[in-house]
Amino acid sequence: AQTVTQSQPEMSVQEAETVTLSCTYDTSESDYYLFWYKQPPSRQMILVIRQEAYKQQNATENRFSVNFQKAAKSFSLKISDSQLGDAAMYFCAYRSAALYSGNTPLVFGKGTRLSVIA
Amino acid sequence: DTGVSQDPRHKITKRGQNVTFRCDPISEHNRLYWYRQTLGQGPEFLTYFQNEAQLEKSRLLSDRFSAERPKGSFSTLEIQRTEQGDSAMYLCASSSDRRLGYGYTFGSGTRLTVV
Repeated sequence: AQTVTQSQPEMSVQEAETVTLSCTYDTSESDYYLFWYKQPPSRQMILVIRQEAYKQQNATENRFSVNFQKAAKSFSLKISDSQLGDAAMYFCAYRSAALYSGNTPLVFGKGTRLSVIA
Repeated sequence: DTGVSQDPRHKITKRGQNVTFRCDPISEHNRLYWYRQTLGQGPEFLTYFQNEAQLEKSRLLSDRFSAERPKGSFSTLEIQRTEQGDSAMYLCASSSDRRLGYGYTFGSGTRLTVV
C-alpha cells in the first residue's frame, strides 16, 4: 500500500519570505499523481498544485512550486513571497494513475501546519 | 457548478444515537468519496462510489457505518450507535474519471461531536 510522510508537523515563515514543506512517499507504481492541498482553519480543503509522475518538469502555480524527485520519492512544496493568507494545514497526497486497479483513493500525509508571521 | 455540499455542517449527538450525513457532489462527477479527519491529522479514507456502486470500503468503516449513493447522485453516510471515538470531521469529495489527474473537490465537511 502507498504511504505518504510529512515529517514537519509545524513550520513558520516570515511574511514575504520563502518556505519549503517536505513530503516523501512510498510506492511500487511508476505512474501516479501527487498533490498538495491547503486546509485553512475551519474551511474546506482546496487543491494548491498537482504533479504528474511521468512529467519531469516541476509544476508551478503562481507563488507555489514543487520539487519533484521521482527516484528519491520526494515531493516538496515551495511557497514564495509568503502571505498571511497562506497560513493553513498543508497536506501532501498521492493517487495511482491506474483507473481500474481497484483502490485508487487519495492517500494523505498527516499534514504540516504553516504559520505566517507578520 | 456549486461545488460539493455537505449537510449538516455540525452535529452534536449523544452516545448511542444514530446520525446521518448528506453529501451532494458536483453534478458531472461520477466518483464520490468519504473521508474522516481527526484533529491535527490527515484525512483517512472510508469508502467510495463510482456512480451508484460502492467499490471500496476501508477497514476503518466498522459495521456501524453504512453509506449509500442512490441513483449515483447524492450520498448519505450513517453511523449507528455512535461512540465517542466517532467524533471527527467527515469529509466528502467528488471527482471525474475524465479528469483523473486533477484530484478531488472537497466539501466543507460535517463535524460530529459525540457526547
